[in-house]
Amino acid sequence: DAGVIQSPRHEVTEMGQEVTLRCKPISGHDYLFWYRQTMMRGLELLIYFNNNVPIDDSGMPEDRFSAKMPNASFSTLKIQPSEPRDSAVYFCASSLRLAGVEQFFGPGTRLTVL
Amino acid sequence: AQKITQTQPGMFVQEKEAVTLDCTYDTSDPSYGLFWYKQPSSGEMIFLIYQGSYDQQNATEGRYSLNFQKARKSANLVISASQLGDSAMYFCAMRDDTGNQFYFGTGTSLTVIP
Repeated sequence: DAGVIQSPRHEVTEMGQEVTLRCKPISGHDYLFWYRQTMMRGLELLIYFNNNVPIDDSGMPEDRFSAKMPNASFSTLKIQPSEPRDSAVYFCASSLRLAGVEQFFGPGTRLTVL
Repeated sequence: AQKITQTQPGMFVQEKEAVTLDCTYDTSDPSYGLFWYKQPSSGEMIFLIYQGSYDQQNATEGRYSLNFQKARKSANLVISASQLGDSAMYFCAMRDDTGNQFYFGTGTSLTVIP
């Protein structure tokens, strides 16, 4: 298996633009997580899905952020409009069922909003 | 309340020596899992080791071992015979049965000195 795939790996955009980050989890994994990592705030969980259904989105910073998982093999995280404070590395991770199984992380998308 | 606490922002260790990275956790669930991840400067998150709450023995994976003290709610990572390539950020994480999500600590930056 290729592991968790994220695209793009790097994104540079201007304030106010829409940004869409993409993730393909490992096949068969029924949990998908979106994280944001910054120097100031560390690793923050934004939202996670179970069987394509959002379970907890309490970590989503504000309405500018939205995430979807239309099927088991694809998820998007969208920021509209983007702001400079959204600059961070965004990780997608997937895992099988509950306890005892680790998360597998994607390589991350480094987002820079100018 | 913090679910995972890592009190050491930075640690130094001499090459070939052993080092312990501290982690304490907070949960009332009887069933949970504890994980350690390594994040080198390249940015990817690498799973290192797992300990289940019901496991009787401390987990070991090569040079990594987890010093699990359930009553004290601690899950310290021990790296033996440190190598230069061990220099990285190390994150402790927990998954309990309540939220089905992962909780990460703030990380410890380890530097191995030649």
